[in-house]
Amino acid sequence: DTGVSQDPRHKITKRGQNVTFRCDPISEHNRLYWYRQTLGQGPEFLTYFQNEAQLEKSRLLSDRFSAERPKGSFSTLEIQRTEQGDSAMYLCASSLGGGLGQFFGPGTRLTVL
Amino acid sequence: AQTVTQSQPEMSVQEAETVTLSCTYDTSESDYYLFWYKQPPSRQMILVIRQEAYKQQNATENRFSVNFQKAAKSFSLKISDSQLGDAAMYFCAYRSASVRFGAGTRLTVKP
Repeated sequence: DTGVSQDPRHKITKRGQNVTFRCDPISEHNRLYWYRQTLGQGPEFLTYFQNEAQLEKSRLLSDRFSAERPKGSFSTLEIQRTEQGDSAMYLCASSLGGGLGQFFGPGTRLTVL
Repeated sequence: AQTVTQSQPEMSVQEAETVTLSCTYDTSESDYYLFWYKQPPSRQMILVIRQEAYKQQNATENRFSVNFQKAAKSFSLKISDSQLGDAAMYFCAYRSASVRFGAGTRLTVKP
């Protein structure tokens, strides 16, 4: 296993379009996290899954954001009707249990024009 | 709500010297975990060290160690014998039911 992977690595879209990102965690990891990171800031928690169940979703997350993890494997994060303020790096991480450290993917950089 | 504060936006250290990065957090919970992550320029975030709140003994990983003061809600990272490859953003993180990261400290290592 080579670690957490994310696709695409870069996405440029026009305001108002929908985008979807994919994350493939380390295969035996039951927890999967999504974060948003803007330049010079720490990761901002968006949501996390334990297996296929979405256990927490940030109150900062608008209804335009939705995430799924069917069958407890890969996960997708969709942003509908993108806005310029959505431009950021979207990070995915996985872990084997909540108390263990998370393994991060390389991120998807979103630019909304 | 839990918050994590890193009061040093930037730090620098001479190669082979020791540097300490500060982190404080605010929580009303008694059971949680604390982490330090490293994010090199344009590279993935990686775990440096973790600490369980119920353990009094400070965690150590090679040149990296922490000073965990639970009553003071302080969790600093000490890097000994600093190397050029230690240059990165360092993030302190808190995990219980929720996950919170600090804003980060940019560490520069001078040769």
